[in-house]
Amino acid sequence: AQSVTQLDSQVPVFEEAPVELRCNYSSSVSVYLFWYVQYPNQGLQLLLKYLSGSTLVKGINGFEAEFNKSQTSFHLRKPSVHISDTAEYFCAVSDRYGGATNKLIFGTGTLLAVQP
Amino acid sequence: GAGVSQSPSNKVTEKGKDVELRCDPISGHTALYWYRQSLGQGLEFLIYFQGNSAPDKSGLPSDRFSAERTGGSVSTLTIQRTQQEDSAVYLCASSPQIRDGYTFGSGTRLTVV
Repeated sequence: AQSVTQLDSQVPVFEEAPVELRCNYSSSVSVYLFWYVQYPNQGLQLLLKYLSGSTLVKGINGFEAEFNKSQTSFHLRKPSVHISDTAEYFCAVSDRYGGATNKLIFGTGTLLAVQP
Repeated sequence: GAGVSQSPSNKVTEKGKDVELRCDPISGHTALYWYRQSLGQGLEFLIYFQGNSAPDKSGLPSDRFSAERTGGSVSTLTIQRTQQEDSAVYLCASSPQIRDGYTFGSGTRLTVV
């Protein structure tokens, strides 16, 4: 069975500072990895995904994430955050080969709170 | 449609009543998913449809919960004899294939009083 751990439930940061949101996963098979963002009172939208190839993937709004197979991690980073980045961020994993387990398993989320 | 549509957006119901939540996925998306989001609990998987079949119902919390999908399109999640612990935001998502990730609807906020 797969699982995702987001150790930080909340990350406060000042505007224009860098930020890293941590995600670790557990799986016995090859995986796809995703980050979703949920702005206040809005639905979830895809930020970025890792499928294969380069371990550094870039997404929308200046975010990027790095896949580290040996550490089973997929941490999300941004070099300089804005007030508008305040949102809940969810990491998710899926079995690469799908089948009956063709679904995303989500972490519990990290609230990024950007302060002026 | 252009996105995943869910209705109603909000539902307040009395304990013990039945409720139906509707999801209209993106046209052509063969996979459809229901999740439940509770405060501080993340997203809890409920059920997955591929076409009209449900190969994975493992997340349905009890036999009070059921779902169906017709015509490879619209899905309905039914909760019978609602309880206060059923209060949550119910999210629907659709996808052409897992490597594309999901497109989520805006959710139905269910409050059981």
